[in-house]
Amino acid sequence: DARVTQTPRHKVTEMGQEVTMRCQPILGHNTVFWYRQTMMQGLELLAYFRNRAPLDDSGMPKDRFSAEMPDATLATLKIQPSEPRDSAVYFCASGFEQFFGPGTRLTVL
Amino acid sequence: QKEVEQDPGPLSVPEGAIVSLNCTYSNSAFQYFMWYRQYSRKGPELLMYTYSSGNKEDGRFTAQVDKSSKYISLFIRDSQPSDSATYLCAMSRSGGSYIPTFGRGTSLIVHP
Repeated sequence: DARVTQTPRHKVTEMGQEVTMRCQPILGHNTVFWYRQTMMQGLELLAYFRNRAPLDDSGMPKDRFSAEMPDATLATLKIQPSEPRDSAVYFCASGFEQFFGPGTRLTVL
Repeated sequence: QKEVEQDPGPLSVPEGAIVSLNCTYSNSAFQYFMWYRQYSRKGPELLMYTYSSGNKEDGRFTAQVDKSSKYISLFIRDSQPSDSATYLCAMSRSGGSYIPTFGRGTSLIVHP
């Protein structure tokens, strides 16, 4: 049963701490997306990779966010330093049809 | 004005009703149209995907695209309490990166 996996599922941290979220896309998918979802803004695209290369990260605050794909089976999203306004659910999706993972619920205190 | 507009609801209907969910958009370059269902505390899951105009049916679900009016719809027949979820529309341009633009989602409640 092919699915996108994300870790951790929940993360509570204090302001200023580094947060790393991981995503394993569906094997064979060459596109990976990172989204942030909040009640106020809905789903916002943060970054988009094709064949592991970042094609669009215009939605990502560059001063604190970074996204990488060290290999085809792993995508990472890092926030350093984290702020309370980063509290949201972060989703990874792979494939053109956007198969979503279960999300990482981040709370920054 | 957002590129994709979707009424957040909630839309509350009795079990068995026909549900109509809609999105409007402003960018005539959109060619791919998708509907996702998102249960509480879960990731969105793709329900329907259509290209350009026309209708597509899958079981109790029908997706309709009217490009001349820049209007898309998702109909759910014989709605069930298990259909209670948030429904997001999404659309993307042909060619290029296929990055979708999502609506905010409509919350649907089907009560027994």
